[in-house]
Amino acid sequence: SSELTQPPSVSVSPGQTARITCSGDTLAKKYAYWYQQKSSQAPVVVIYEDSKRPSEIPERFSGSRSGTMATLTISGAQVDDEADYYCYSSDNIHNYVFGSGTRVSVL
Amino acid sequence: QLQLRESGPGLVKPSETLSLTCNVSGASISRSSYFWGWIRQPPGKGLEWIGNIYYTAVTNYSPSLKSRLTMSVDTSKNQFSLKLTSVTAADTAVYYCARPTGAYCTGAICPFDNWGQGILVTVSS
Repeated sequence: SSELTQPPSVSVSPGQTARITCSGDTLAKKYAYWYQQKSSQAPVVVIYEDSKRPSEIPERFSGSRSGTMATLTISGAQVDDEADYYCYSSDNIHNYVFGSGTRVSVL
Repeated sequence: QLQLRESGPGLVKPSETLSLTCNVSGASISRSSYFWGWIRQPPGKGLEWIGNIYYTAVTNYSPSLKSRLTMSVDTSKNQFSLKLTSVTAADTAVYYCARPTGAYCTGAICPFDNWGQGILVTVSS
């Protein structure tokens, strides 16, 4: 089965840019999605189809994908962005996989 | 508005079977063209996709759980269920049921964007 690997943690100061990577072979062919999870609440989609943003998600969240790596960027990170972030994709049409998760600290 | 709620025992003994049900309100399972799924999260750890089921009972399981997993759907009760056999402490987790709304799907690939509140299941004697 496919794996998606993320750095365990990313730390930035308020106003700085946080970048979270997600690497895995499946990303060479499949879109990446990104979830934000705060304090063990249910996850929320912040990026879909590599780079699209739901209307309720702030513009400071953006995404990209190249080769076998996807990147979530938080430009001008705020304290409210502190959370766990997970990438998500499919290894074929029917099976799904979550990334290992990244804890983002803004302090 | 679609609401999902997990139910089942919070404590299961090792080697026994973990059984959970997801009760769906605000939408009919049998009228959904999208799958219904289960995801789990061990305490302090990451999310793990368990599997999906369509109202037709077609299933897709995580390869790592496939040998112990059975998912089913009961359209008359508007609910779907999960059974995981031969559990160990490694199966201790918050179990979520979830479904895509379709808003963020790309072809057949859909992220879950409707989630239940989750239920903690502890495997311990």
